[in-house]
Amino acid sequence: AQKVTQAQTEISVVEKEDVTLDCVYETRDTTYYLFWYKQPPSGELVFLIRRNSFDEQNEISGRYSWNFQKSTSSFNFTITASQVVDSAVYFCALSEARETSGSRLTFGEGTQLTVNP
Amino acid sequence: GAGVSQSPSNKVTEKGKDVELRCDPISGHTALYWYRQSLGQGLEFLIYFQGNSAPDKSGLPSDRFSAERTGGSVSTLTIQRTQQEDSAVYLCASSSLGTDYNYGYTFGSGTRLTVV
Repeated sequence: AQKVTQAQTEISVVEKEDVTLDCVYETRDTTYYLFWYKQPPSGELVFLIRRNSFDEQNEISGRYSWNFQKSTSSFNFTITASQVVDSAVYFCALSEARETSGSRLTFGEGTQLTVNP
Repeated sequence: GAGVSQSPSNKVTEKGKDVELRCDPISGHTALYWYRQSLGQGLEFLIYFQGNSAPDKSGLPSDRFSAERTGGSVSTLTIQRTQQEDSAVYLCASSSLGTDYNYGYTFGSGTRLTVV
């Protein structure tokens, strides 16, 4: 069975601080995908990144960066110089790698990030 | 359309009544998923449709829940004899295999269901 754990339920920071959201996963699959989604107050889930299990290269996109470590089954997300607009619930998710038939996502419980001015 | 469309955006119903929630996926997306998000909770998988294959219904919480996908496009999630614990946001997502899969699933804005 697959499981995603986001131990931080809520995080509150002051604008311009860096913040890291933790994600730990469990799976018996050797090939899988990891995702991060952002859910702003409007409610819609916004896709941020997908990583496959064979690609442990860290990724940076603007103020966002992701650290994937298979050895610790972690896929952490860091926001540098946080802004008020980053306030949202962030979900980490895991799926099997069945590209020919699609696959369900298993989500963590989410981390509520509040960035105060 | 450009995104996944769900209707209604909000639904208040009395306990015991049936409700239907609608999802219009992105045109051409072959896979469609329903998830449920209860207050303060993560997202719970409900059901998954892929092309003409039999749907994966393993996440449906009870036999009061059912879903259809007509013509490989629009999907309807039906909850019969609603209970208060059914109150949640119901999210629909679609995805396409091949290159689009690289960009993950596209979610709709959800239907907020309140059972009173």
